[in-house]
Amino acid sequence: GAGVSQSPSNKVTEKGKDVELRCDPISGHTALYWYRQSLGQGLEFLIYFQGNSAPDKSGLPSDRFSAERTGGSVSTLTIQRTQQEDSAVYLCASSTRGGSNQPQHFGDGTRLSIL
Amino acid sequence: QKEVEQDPGPLSVPEGAIVSLNCTYSNSAFQYFMWYRQYSRKGPELLMYTYSSGNKEDGRFTAQVDKSSKYISLFIRDSQPSDSATYLCAMSETSGTYKYIFGTGTRLKVLA
Repeated sequence: GAGVSQSPSNKVTEKGKDVELRCDPISGHTALYWYRQSLGQGLEFLIYFQGNSAPDKSGLPSDRFSAERTGGSVSTLTIQRTQQEDSAVYLCASSTRGGSNQPQHFGDGTRLSIL
Repeated sequence: QKEVEQDPGPLSVPEGAIVSLNCTYSNSAFQYFMWYRQYSRKGPELLMYTYSSGNKEDGRFTAQVDKSSKYISLFIRDSQPSDSATYLCAMSETSGTYKYIFGTGTRLKVLA
């Protein structure tokens, strides 16, 4: 596709349920990032992928959060046993390569609401 | 203290005005400086991408970086109602994972 694609665009779920968020980066982009945007907060880094490897997971807020990337393309962010404080917009970005700074291009995010 | 500080606004200006948006930062290792525009319920859209100090111009937008003061600015000339959005500054270091550290964003409203 032309841009970063994220699905679903909105997700409402009950506290305690697991959720999966999907990111399809720009074709050919090897670097992929997940960020979280909460009301009144800036974007908060969660995890970075270079290819299928995640050399930086330092932003994941707890062990309920995990992510994987397969085939150097699609990535999935999973939140287990969701809590109300997980409500936020989850944004994915990709860039042409890791190992150097290249502009990151964002998708429109998944708006997650935990009831 | 946050690594990147940005006035949240809102900032209201009349159409045609020059807009000045600013961020300050504390980490002297930041070398890459970005400005993003974010419309409601959309993802951030890259406006400007600069390295180290100096000015960069692109159409109605000018980005300035003053590393000695740890201060960056985005100027918008001849502002239009379509410029109404939240503007986010972002920064990163020259090594590591190049994760971006963002300001909280300034909400701008340009009045017709």
